[in-house]
Amino acid sequence: NAGVTQTPKFQVLKTGQSMTLQCAQDMNHEYMSWYRQDPGMGLRLIHYSVGAGITDQGEVPNGYNVSRSTTEDFPLRLLSAAPSQTSVYFCASGQGAGELFFGEGSRLTVL
Amino acid sequence: TQLLEQSPQFLSIQEGENLTVYCNSSSVFSSLQWYRQEPGEGPVLLVTVVTGGEVKKLKRLTFQFGDARKDSSLHITAAQPGDTGLYLCAVANAGGTSYGKLTFGQGTILTVHP
Repeated sequence: NAGVTQTPKFQVLKTGQSMTLQCAQDMNHEYMSWYRQDPGMGLRLIHYSVGAGITDQGEVPNGYNVSRSTTEDFPLRLLSAAPSQTSVYFCASGQGAGELFFGEGSRLTVL
Repeated sequence: TQLLEQSPQFLSIQEGENLTVYCNSSSVFSSLQWYRQEPGEGPVLLVTVVTGGEVKKLKRLTFQFGDARKDSSLHITAAQPGDTGLYLCAVANAGGTSYGKLTFGQGTILTVHP
């Protein structure tokens, strides 16, 4: 009964380092997306995917890359980490009219 | 400017009190959702409202979609400490299907003291 699984849960990076946040879902959902959550700003969409091989940008895509080679996996890559990318990142999956299922989040600190 | 404006941003009340959280916009939406998020976890869907004027109840929580489908409210009756959390409203950008693309309000942090 895993749902949406994110790893790692916590990560500290130095400015300029790169890393990948992993996301996997076992519900066979078509849609997957990445959000970042900052205090007082709710959740903002970074990238999303409507199916394997298809991705598109959300509201705040700069500095992030995604790919979707399988239905289950949707990794988020930070190419060159900046302090402004310090945030909590949520992966979500869904199918149909609106309901999204979220992972537990990955807390990233960039020094 | 935010597409969705939530108010209040913070709410601190005593157990047993009633409260209302608002989600407002100048845009019309085909549907609107409310999520609840507890510390260290991801948001969890509470309800989706679709029809203008619609009222949905979930135990002590009452959700209403405005007649013009531009706003919504969440009312909690006799709040309990277990209601503590972040409440988020959200809308899909593309008609009735979100494609994983939801726009969220800033959220209301509710604290219910025993």
